[in-house]
Amino acid sequence: NAGVMQNPRHLVRRRGQEARLRCSPMKGHSHVYWYRQLPEEGLKFMVYLQKENIIDESGMPKERFSAEFPKEGPSILRIQQVVRGDSAAYFCASSPRRPGQGFTEAFFGQGTRLTVV
Amino acid sequence: GDSVTQMEGPVTLSEEAFLTINCTYTATGYPSLFWYVQYPGEGLQLLLKATKADDKGSNKGFEATYRKETTSFHLEKGSVQVSDSAVYFCALWSFQGGSEKLVFGKGTKLTVNP
Repeated sequence: NAGVMQNPRHLVRRRGQEARLRCSPMKGHSHVYWYRQLPEEGLKFMVYLQKENIIDESGMPKERFSAEFPKEGPSILRIQQVVRGDSAAYFCASSPRRPGQGFTEAFFGQGTRLTVV
Repeated sequence: GDSVTQMEGPVTLSEEAFLTINCTYTATGYPSLFWYVQYPGEGLQLLLKATKADDKGSNKGFEATYRKETTSFHLEKGSVQVSDSAVYFCALWSFQGGSEKLVFGKGTKLTVNP
């Protein structure tokens, strides 16, 4: 059973370009979470999605950032018109069910390290 | 809102030394608690977990006990190895506003010297 797969592992974008980060959850997992890690800092929650639904996007910047988790295919975190401050590691995690429905764990991918030049 | 506070790093120890990394939390109710470890350039791996008060999570020689009375989940290891050098994150499942998510502490960087 493959783990959470993120690609690309490293992404370089010039200011003003778009960045697309992909996350394929573990098999059987329908809940996806995106986190951002700035250098020397902890992980900040961005968004929580289920298939075709955004459950909580309270951590997402209001502009330029969007996320989706379609019925088929990976979850996508999209950053439009990137700026230097977007440079960070972006991690995706998946879980098999909602935590309120019984104990669950979140499994993390290796992350995508975005560098904006 | 729910939050996690863990001791500031970095922590530098010699091999075979005793390790404690403090973690306290603020939350509504009794959330599940976790320690994750991040090796350089890697993602987060679950190290151990506890789901209710007085539970002790353990893995690879690391232990942490869920203390309801002190709202703490301190990480300990009796004898660290060079291979334990990593960043350690304390976390809880937060249930607020109809959503659920992991809330992390800022992380503690551990360096173990031979």
